[in-house]
Amino acid sequence: GQNIDQPTEMTATEGAIVQINCTYQTSGFNGLFWYQQHAGEAPTFLSYNVLDGLEEKGRFSSFLSRSKGYSYLLLKELQMKDSASYLCAAAGFQKLVFGTGTRLLVSP
Amino acid sequence: DTEVTQTPKHLVMGMTNKKSLKCEQHMGHRAMYWYKQKAKKPPELMFVYSYEKLSINESVPSRFSPECPNSSLLNLHLHALQPEDSALYLCASSLNPTGDGYTFGSGTRLTVV
Repeated sequence: GQNIDQPTEMTATEGAIVQINCTYQTSGFNGLFWYQQHAGEAPTFLSYNVLDGLEEKGRFSSFLSRSKGYSYLLLKELQMKDSASYLCAAAGFQKLVFGTGTRLLVSP
Repeated sequence: DTEVTQTPKHLVMGMTNKKSLKCEQHMGHRAMYWYKQKAKKPPELMFVYSYEKLSINESVPSRFSPECPNSSLLNLHLHALQPEDSALYLCASSLNPTGDGYTFGSGTRLTVV
């Protein structure tokens, strides 16, 4: 079976750091995506991890541990515009399996 | 060109109408996908085309009919839809079926009245 878990909702304040965790169990795992999605819009690509380790891209970093079936997205220096849903998706053969998404609310 | 282009952006249709959603990419991607997303839910896979052949149909009702005329185009034909089919329809493509370069289009917001 395939299962992706991430927290439903998180809150943080502007300027802070937040870590969104994702655990997964999938067959034929090829990599782990993170997407940002604002309400009513399409998902926007943030990161794609295939190998274990941390990948940093500006204020956003993503980590993967294949042996533990675990990933996290780290957002630094939070801004109000970072309020959105963050989707974790495991890539299998011919499909992405999405988690339910984490709604992040950034307050002043 | 690094985009997946979907048209139209918005569509309102009656339950007896026939309409089509269009998706286009010129990145040389050989896998293309249709997803359906309801409000506050993650995208749900509907169809996968791999090398222009339908490879996955996630038990989608026949009122949704996909078509892949060539490696750059993917259509979704709609007929006799129900109001509960109202959703954001997302197209995506990837370099190959393993998911390299997975890219989403901006979606079509469909309302069935």
